[in-house]
Amino acid sequence: QKEVEQNSGPLSVPEGAIASLNCTYSDRVSQSFFWYRQYSGKSPELIMSIYSNGDKEDGRFTAQLNKASQYVSLLIRDSQPSDSATYLCAVNMRPGGYQKVTFGTGTKLQVIP
Amino acid sequence: GAVVSQHPSRVICKSGTSVKIECRSLDFQATTMFWYRQFPKKSLMLMATSNEGSKATYEQGVEKDKFLINHASLTLSTLTVTSAHPEDSSFYICSASLDRNKYNEQFFGPGTRLTVL
Repeated sequence: QKEVEQNSGPLSVPEGAIASLNCTYSDRVSQSFFWYRQYSGKSPELIMSIYSNGDKEDGRFTAQLNKASQYVSLLIRDSQPSDSATYLCAVNMRPGGYQKVTFGTGTKLQVIP
Repeated sequence: GAVVSQHPSRVICKSGTSVKIECRSLDFQATTMFWYRQFPKKSLMLMATSNEGSKATYEQGVEKDKFLINHASLTLSTLTVTSAHPEDSSFYICSASLDRNKYNEQFFGPGTRLTVL
Protein backbone atom coordinates (compact mmCIF):
# COMPACT_ATOMS: atom_id res chain seq x y z
CA GLN A 1 0.00 0.00 0.00
CA LYS A 2 1.32 3.43 -0.92
CA GLU A 3 1.86 5.82 1.98
CA VAL A 4 -0.25 8.52 0.35
CA GLU A 5 -2.65 7.51 -2.36
CA GLN A 6 -4.52 9.62 -4.87
CA ASN A 7 -6.42 8.87 -8.03
CA SER A 8 -4.30 10.21 -10.89
CA GLY A 9 -7.32 11.34 -12.91
CA PRO A 10 -7.88 13.29 -14.95
CA LEU A 11 -10.96 14.46 -13.11
CA SER A 12 -13.08 16.53 -15.46
CA VAL A 13 -15.76 18.85 -14.13
CA PRO A 14 -17.79 21.57 -15.85
CA GLU A 15 -17.17 25.20 -14.95
CA GLY A 16 -19.20 26.19 -11.89
CA ALA A 17 -19.44 22.65 -10.52
CA ILE A 18 -17.90 21.25 -7.34
CA ALA A 19 -14.65 19.33 -7.80
CA SER A 20 -13.97 16.67 -5.18
CA LEU A 21 -10.42 15.39 -4.74
CA ASN A 22 -9.63 12.50 -2.44
CA CYS A 23 -6.59 11.15 -0.66
CA THR A 24 -5.93 8.24 1.68
CA TYR A 25 -2.87 7.70 3.82
CA SER A 26 -1.36 4.76 5.61
CA ASP A 27 0.21 6.17 8.78
CA ARG A 28 -2.38 6.26 11.54
CA VAL A 29 -0.41 8.71 13.71
CA SER A 30 -0.12 11.42 11.03
CA GLN A 31 -1.07 14.80 12.42
CA SER A 32 -0.87 17.33 9.62
CA PHE A 33 -2.18 17.27 6.09
CA PHE A 34 -1.73 19.57 3.14
CA TRP A 35 -3.10 20.22 -0.30
CA TYR A 36 -0.87 21.73 -2.95
CA ARG A 37 -1.76 22.94 -6.41
CA GLN A 38 0.78 22.53 -9.18
CA TYR A 39 0.35 24.07 -12.59
CA SER A 40 2.18 22.45 -15.47
CA GLY A 41 5.84 23.46 -15.47
CA LYS A 42 5.57 25.25 -12.13
CA SER A 43 6.37 24.35 -8.53
CA PRO A 44 3.70 23.33 -5.99
CA GLU A 45 1.76 26.03 -4.15
CA LEU A 46 0.27 25.39 -0.72
CA ILE A 47 -3.47 26.02 -0.77
CA MET A 48 -4.78 24.30 2.38
CA SER A 49 -3.49 22.86 5.63
CA ILE A 50 -5.64 20.86 8.03
CA TYR A 51 -4.78 19.32 11.38
CA SER A 52 -8.06 18.42 13.09
CA ASN A 53 -10.93 16.16 12.14
CA GLY A 54 -13.72 17.92 10.31
CA ASP A 55 -13.92 20.63 7.71
CA LYS A 56 -11.78 23.69 7.12
CA GLU A 57 -12.96 26.30 4.67
CA ASP A 58 -10.97 28.97 2.87
CA GLY A 59 -12.80 30.81 0.12
CA ARG A 60 -13.88 28.31 -2.52
CA PHE A 61 -11.76 25.56 -0.98
CA THR A 62 -12.83 23.17 1.77
CA ALA A 63 -10.52 20.54 3.21
CA GLN A 64 -12.08 17.60 5.03
CA LEU A 65 -10.20 15.30 7.37
CA ASN A 66 -11.28 11.98 8.84
CA LYS A 67 -8.44 10.47 10.85
CA ALA A 68 -10.38 7.36 11.78
CA SER A 69 -10.79 6.52 8.10
CA GLN A 70 -7.34 7.91 7.21
CA TYR A 71 -8.91 10.06 4.56
CA VAL A 72 -8.51 13.67 3.54
CA SER A 73 -10.33 15.45 0.75
CA LEU A 74 -10.42 18.81 -0.99
CA LEU A 75 -13.59 20.35 -2.36
CA ILE A 76 -13.42 23.20 -4.83
CA ARG A 77 -16.69 25.05 -5.22
CA ASP A 78 -17.65 27.04 -8.31
CA SER A 79 -14.76 25.49 -10.24
CA GLN A 80 -13.06 27.77 -12.73
CA PRO A 81 -10.89 26.92 -15.75
CA SER A 82 -8.00 28.50 -13.83
CA ASP A 83 -8.36 25.72 -11.25
CA SER A 84 -7.18 23.23 -13.87
CA ALA A 85 -3.96 21.84 -12.40
CA THR A 86 -2.56 18.85 -10.57
CA TYR A 87 -3.49 18.71 -6.90
CA LEU A 88 -1.03 17.06 -4.56
CA CYS A 89 -2.02 15.64 -1.20
CA ALA A 90 0.78 15.67 1.37
CA VAL A 91 0.93 14.08 4.81
CA ASN A 92 3.40 14.83 7.57
CA MET A 93 4.13 11.39 8.89
CA ARG A 94 6.12 12.48 11.95
CA PRO A 95 5.21 15.92 13.28
CA GLY A 96 8.09 17.65 15.00
CA GLY A 97 11.46 16.01 15.45
CA TYR A 98 12.53 14.24 12.29
CA GLN A 99 9.85 15.30 9.88
CA LYS A 100 9.00 13.76 6.56
CA VAL A 101 6.20 15.04 4.43
CA THR A 102 5.14 12.42 1.94
CA PHE A 103 3.42 13.50 -1.25
CA GLY A 104 0.88 11.64 -3.28
CA THR A 105 1.34 11.40 -7.02
CA GLY A 106 -1.37 14.00 -7.58
CA THR A 107 -4.78 14.22 -9.21
CA LYS A 108 -5.07 16.13 -12.45
CA LEU A 109 -8.15 18.34 -12.51
CA GLN A 110 -9.62 19.67 -15.73
CA VAL A 111 -12.35 22.30 -15.51
CA ILE A 112 -14.26 22.44 -18.77
CA PRO A 113 -15.56 25.93 -19.75
CA GLY B 1 4.58 35.69 4.12
CA ALA B 2 6.47 32.37 3.67
CA VAL B 3 8.19 33.26 0.42
CA VAL B 4 10.94 31.05 -0.93
CA SER B 5 13.15 32.09 -3.80
CA GLN B 6 15.33 29.93 -5.99
CA HIS B 7 18.12 30.89 -8.34
CA PRO B 8 18.71 30.37 -11.19
CA SER B 9 15.31 29.59 -12.66
CA ARG B 10 16.81 27.91 -15.67
CA VAL B 11 20.29 26.68 -16.53
CA ILE B 12 21.76 24.97 -19.53
CA CYS B 13 25.22 23.50 -19.18
CA LYS B 14 27.61 21.13 -20.86
CA SER B 15 28.13 17.60 -19.65
CA GLY B 16 30.79 17.39 -16.96
CA THR B 17 30.28 20.84 -15.46
CA SER B 18 28.95 21.56 -11.98
CA VAL B 19 25.86 23.61 -11.33
CA LYS B 20 24.94 25.38 -8.09
CA ILE B 21 21.33 26.15 -7.20
CA GLU B 22 20.46 28.52 -4.35
CA CYS B 23 17.34 28.37 -2.23
CA ARG B 24 16.45 31.23 0.10
CA SER B 25 13.63 31.78 2.56
CA LEU B 26 12.95 35.50 2.21
CA ASP B 27 10.69 36.35 5.14
CA PHE B 28 11.20 33.60 7.67
CA GLN B 29 13.91 31.44 9.16
CA ALA B 30 13.94 27.85 8.03
CA THR B 31 15.85 25.35 10.08
CA THR B 32 14.90 22.72 7.56
CA MET B 33 14.91 22.90 3.80
CA PHE B 34 14.16 20.15 1.32
CA TRP B 35 15.36 19.40 -2.17
CA TYR B 36 13.17 17.64 -4.69
CA ARG B 37 13.46 16.71 -8.32
CA GLN B 38 10.63 16.15 -10.72
CA PHE B 39 10.73 14.59 -14.17
CA PRO B 40 8.08 15.58 -16.74
CA LYS B 41 4.61 14.32 -15.82
CA LYS B 42 6.03 12.52 -12.77
CA SER B 43 5.56 13.09 -9.08
CA LEU B 44 7.89 14.94 -6.75
CA MET B 45 10.84 12.93 -5.54
CA LEU B 46 12.47 13.97 -2.28
CA MET B 47 16.24 13.97 -2.69
CA ALA B 48 17.43 15.21 0.68
CA THR B 49 16.57 17.07 3.83
CA SER B 50 18.86 19.95 4.69
CA ASN B 51 19.28 21.11 8.28
CA GLU B 52 21.04 24.34 9.15
CA GLY B 53 24.50 23.71 10.51
CA SER B 54 24.52 19.97 9.98
CA LYS B 55 24.94 17.43 7.21
CA ALA B 56 22.04 16.78 4.89
CA THR B 57 20.05 13.59 5.11
CA TYR B 58 19.81 11.93 1.71
CA GLU B 59 17.03 9.65 0.53
CA GLN B 60 17.87 6.15 -0.53
CA GLY B 61 19.35 6.01 -4.00
CA VAL B 62 20.49 9.64 -4.08
CA GLU B 63 24.27 10.01 -4.39
CA LYS B 64 25.49 12.46 -1.79
CA ASP B 65 28.78 12.99 -3.61
CA LYS B 66 26.91 13.90 -6.77
CA PHE B 67 24.35 16.19 -5.16
CA LEU B 68 26.16 18.34 -2.62
CA ILE B 69 23.95 20.20 -0.19
CA ASN B 70 25.02 23.02 2.08
CA HIS B 71 22.76 24.78 4.57
CA ALA B 72 25.02 27.52 5.87
CA SER B 73 22.40 29.78 7.41
CA LEU B 74 18.76 29.79 8.48
CA THR B 75 17.77 31.36 5.18
CA LEU B 76 20.03 29.75 2.60
CA SER B 77 20.56 26.24 1.29
CA THR B 78 22.47 25.32 -1.85
CA LEU B 79 22.42 22.25 -4.05
CA THR B 80 25.40 21.60 -6.29
CA VAL B 81 25.05 19.05 -9.04
CA THR B 82 28.60 17.90 -9.65
CA SER B 83 29.84 16.65 -13.00
CA ALA B 84 26.38 16.92 -14.47
CA HIS B 85 25.28 14.50 -17.17
CA PRO B 86 22.25 14.53 -19.47
CA GLU B 87 20.37 12.13 -17.16
CA ASP B 88 20.58 14.82 -14.44
CA SER B 89 18.37 17.08 -16.56
CA SER B 90 15.28 17.69 -14.48
CA PHE B 91 13.22 20.23 -12.57
CA TYR B 92 14.82 20.82 -9.16
CA ILE B 93 12.63 22.37 -6.49
CA CYS B 94 13.49 23.39 -2.97
CA SER B 95 11.10 23.95 -0.11
CA ALA B 96 11.44 25.42 3.35
CA SER B 97 9.62 24.57 6.53
CA LEU B 98 8.49 27.27 8.94
CA ASP B 99 10.68 27.25 11.97
CA ARG B 100 7.99 27.82 14.54
CA ASN B 101 5.28 25.75 12.97
CA LYS B 102 5.18 22.31 14.54
CA TYR B 103 2.96 21.06 11.79
CA ASN B 104 5.76 21.57 9.28
CA GLU B 105 4.10 23.24 6.37
CA GLN B 106 6.46 23.39 3.42
CA PHE B 107 6.66 26.34 1.08
CA PHE B 108 8.20 25.76 -2.31
CA GLY B 109 10.55 27.84 -4.36
CA PRO B 110 9.74 28.40 -8.03
CA GLY B 111 12.12 25.65 -9.15
CA THR B 112 15.18 25.41 -11.37
CA ARG B 113 15.02 23.72 -14.73
CA LEU B 114 18.36 22.09 -15.47
CA THR B 115 19.26 20.98 -18.98
CA VAL B 116 22.57 19.18 -19.45
CA LEU B 117 23.74 18.93 -23.04
